[in-house]
Amino acid sequence: SQELEQSPQSLIVQEGKNLTINCTSSKTLYGLYWYKQKYGEGLIFLMMLQKGGEEKSHEKITAKLDEKKQQSSLHITASQPSHAGIYLCGAPRYGSARQLTFGSGTQLTVLP
Amino acid sequence: DTAVSQTPKYLVTQMGNDKSIKCEQNLGHDTMYWYKQDSKKFLKIMFSYNNKELIINETVPNRFSPKSPDKAHLNLHINSLELGDSAVYFCASSQGVLRTGGTEAFFGQGTRLTVV
Repeated sequence: SQELEQSPQSLIVQEGKNLTINCTSSKTLYGLYWYKQKYGEGLIFLMMLQKGGEEKSHEKITAKLDEKKQQSSLHITASQPSHAGIYLCGAPRYGSARQLTFGSGTQLTVLP
Repeated sequence: DTAVSQTPKYLVTQMGNDKSIKCEQNLGHDTMYWYKQDSKKFLKIMFSYNNKELIINETVPNRFSPKSPDKAHLNLHINSLELGDSAVYFCASSQGVLRTGGTEAFFGQGTRLTVV
């Protein structure tokens, strides 16, 4: 079965610093989704990447998909306390195009 | 309007009881899901369902069963609750096949189930 490994598992940064979260798949990626979860809340969709080499940005968050490396990265520029939360990458489950399987998440803390 | 809504938000119950969690989506999506998030925040797919197929993750005990009265609802019924069932359960929905340009999955706010 497909597995998604995220690194780091947790990250503490000072406000204003840049940071990167990585997501690596054990199998070929047919698209990659990034979500954010705040404590006690549901998942908020951030971005969807579907083609190798694709890069998308929203405000200060940029995500890239490297199909060859079976990897995606999420980069936050000039982090703010509002960026704190759990970041989850998800991919269509191998053998089941209607299901998303998720990585173990990266807990981000931004210190003011 | 809430796109995907779950009720209740919190559920505390005793071992051995049977309980249901309701989920409704008003997005017109064709597929709905249930996920379980454990204490380590790991999110795991339990079921996906559309009008053509029900896909059950092989690790889900048969005490868990999804029930869909119509396209906009997918309820989760749990029999004989166990301590290990304590977790946050998320409902989600999407349209189309994810690999070929379908929409992203929209998630509900979650139901925190505590079995005592």
